[in-house]
Amino acid sequence: QVQLVQSGAEVKKPGASVRVSCKASGYTFTSYGITWVRQAPGQGLEWMGWISAHNGDTKYVQKLQGRVTMTTDTSTSTVYMELRSLISDDTAVYYCARGLGEHQLLDYWGQGTLVTVSS
Amino acid sequence: DIQMTQSPSSLSASVGDRVTITCRASQSISSYLNWYQQKPGKAPKFLIYSASSLQSGVPSRFSGSGSGTDFTLTISSLQPEDFATYYCQQSYSAPFTFGPGTKVDIK
Repeated sequence: QVQLVQSGAEVKKPGASVRVSCKASGYTFTSYGITWVRQAPGQGLEWMGWISAHNGDTKYVQKLQGRVTMTTDTSTSTVYMELRSLISDDTAVYYCARGLGEHQLLDYWGQGTLVTVSS
Repeated sequence: DIQMTQSPSSLSASVGDRVTITCRASQSISSYLNWYQQKPGKAPKFLIYSASSLQSGVPSRFSGSGSGTDFTLTISSLQPEDFATYYCQQSYSAPFTFGPGTKVDIK
């Protein structure tokens, strides 16, 4: 069965970086993309960006350009999301989701990773 | 970027009620509209894609319609497990933005 398992919760200081992993199993990893979505406490869903597991192509939301990098490791079927220069507004649950096709239909989701940014 | 709005932001309903949620895009997105359900503390669940196609395993009481800029999600007979927050999302052009959500709670 398809599974996306994310790394554990993180607490970071402002200005630091965080890397969240998302390990995929149960499907052909390179046939799908992975999208990252975050959700601040009590807020809605925010699309952060997408990476193709086939060729590493990425698309990021403009507000995070320059601070976010998404990478893949096809040998372990793992996708990484690194966010740098953290601010308190980055405190959120970060989800990875499998994206189907060009229009990235998010059919399977990871369990979420809470990232807390606090001094 | 395409902006998505939803109405209402919240609603109270009873088991058995018919519930309709509206989603509007700031420009035409053809039928590239998806719906997700999220329960507290859980990841979102994929319900509907391409405005009206039900994802496998989703109960038939859920339906979607619309094209262009205006879309609806309908739950024909609300069940206890349907109390949740519902989000629309456009997948027409990146960034694939979400609506702000509609919370459905118990009257």
